[in-house]
Amino acid sequence: EAGVAQSPRYKIIEKRQSVAFWCNPISGHATLYWYQQILGQGPKLLIQFQNNGVVDDSQLPKDRFSAERLKGVDSTLKIQPAKLEDSAVYLCASSSRGGYGYTFGSGTRLTVV
Amino acid sequence: AQSVTQLGSHVSVSEGALVLLRCNYSSSVPPYLFWYVQYPNQGLQLLLKYTTGATLVKGINGFEAEFKKSETSFHLTKPSAHMSDAAEYFCAVSDSFSGGGADGLTFGKGTHLIIQP
Repeated sequence: EAGVAQSPRYKIIEKRQSVAFWCNPISGHATLYWYQQILGQGPKLLIQFQNNGVVDDSQLPKDRFSAERLKGVDSTLKIQPAKLEDSAVYLCASSSRGGYGYTFGSGTRLTVV
Repeated sequence: AQSVTQLGSHVSVSEGALVLLRCNYSSSVPPYLFWYVQYPNQGLQLLLKYTTGATLVKGINGFEAEFKKSETSFHLTKPSAHMSDAAEYFCAVSDSFSGGGADGLTFGKGTHLIIQP
């Protein structure tokens, strides 16, 4: 089966600019997650979708981050405006109903200068 | 709240030697436990997972881990290290599994495994 697709792979922006990341999960996976991985740390969950509804966004900095999952398939994560501390790899993952495994995409590496 | 502690940010072993990466967790309910490997500039790949049943879990690439509830541990081992095992390893926990799908993971900070020739 095809994996979790993410784009772009790399992005460099200046602080205060906006940026968006895209994720296409594995076909049929109802649950989608966005994680932030800062260099030298483990991934941190930002938001979890079940179909097109938000299950958990308690760690999402809502003043600057937003995410949506249209029609319960693709998802976009946006940062506006970006700060230097947002430099990280943003990982998307998906899982199926009843599945204990998560499949991760390759991530988008964001550098804010 | 759940948490994961990985002892040792860097572990160095000789090729052919035993690999032991330590993971301790805290969870208020029976946990689901995972080990992931991350190679440079790549995403996370699942090595193995514990959900229910047998506490000794075998994964890919010769790795295995044992869930010890009394010690709240889930250490990762491999009998003989190979150069290709050099990577970052993450232990993760989820303390619930809602009906619609798995809940989000809480990760440790990772252990960088170095293989000496």
